[in-house]
Amino acid sequence: DVKVTQSSRYLVKRTGEKVFLECVQDMDHENMFWYRQDPGLGLRLIYFSYDVKMKEKGDIPEGYSVSREKKERFSLILESASTNQTSMYLCASSFGRAGNTIYFGEGSWLTVV
Amino acid sequence: GIQVEQSPPDLILQEGANSTLRCNFSDSVNNLQWFHQNPWGQLINLFYIPSGTKQNGRLSATTVATERYSLLYISSSQTTDSGVYFCAVDGYSGAGSYQLTFGKGTKL
Repeated sequence: DVKVTQSSRYLVKRTGEKVFLECVQDMDHENMFWYRQDPGLGLRLIYFSYDVKMKEKGDIPEGYSVSREKKERFSLILESASTNQTSMYLCASSFGRAGNTIYFGEGSWLTVV
Repeated sequence: GIQVEQSPPDLILQEGANSTLRCNFSDSVNNLQWFHQNPWGQLINLFYIPSGTKQNGRLSATTVATERYSLLYISSSQTTDSGVYFCAVDGYSGAGSYQLTFGKGTKL
């Protein structure tokens, strides 16, 4: 079975802190994604990566950056956390080009106080 | 970009009842997937169905690509079906693209 693992399930951070959310997949997938999910807004794409050291902005990249140094790992970075970044963050991965099933991690609930 | 609308936004069912969830999309797609998010937040892929009909146990899905909609059928619903159902599409771009656009979900 495909496994997408997010390092932290629940986090509480202070405003202004630098926050790292880590994601690892074990199926040698080329594509990895970070989404955020908010009530009434569904899932919105923050960043995605289709290869090591490659990254593309999604719909809401402001306030975030990403890193993909190894194929299996995709990190989301909040340089200076703000309260409006309180949300659930979902990592996902998929194989090859468009048209393949996407697999999600369990989600990371981030609260910024 | 492509727009995805799901209906109804909320649904309450008695155990054993059947239901139909709808997903409308605004443009041609080369990838349509249905997901179930359980109450603990885990998103599970149910179907990859850019066209045609598929069945998996009590669940089935039909996509009519020419009319830009997809339907998810749940028969003999159970308490474990609770959660949020999302439709997600990837618009056709010739060379293909990597990202899915999600609807806002149906909460069951």
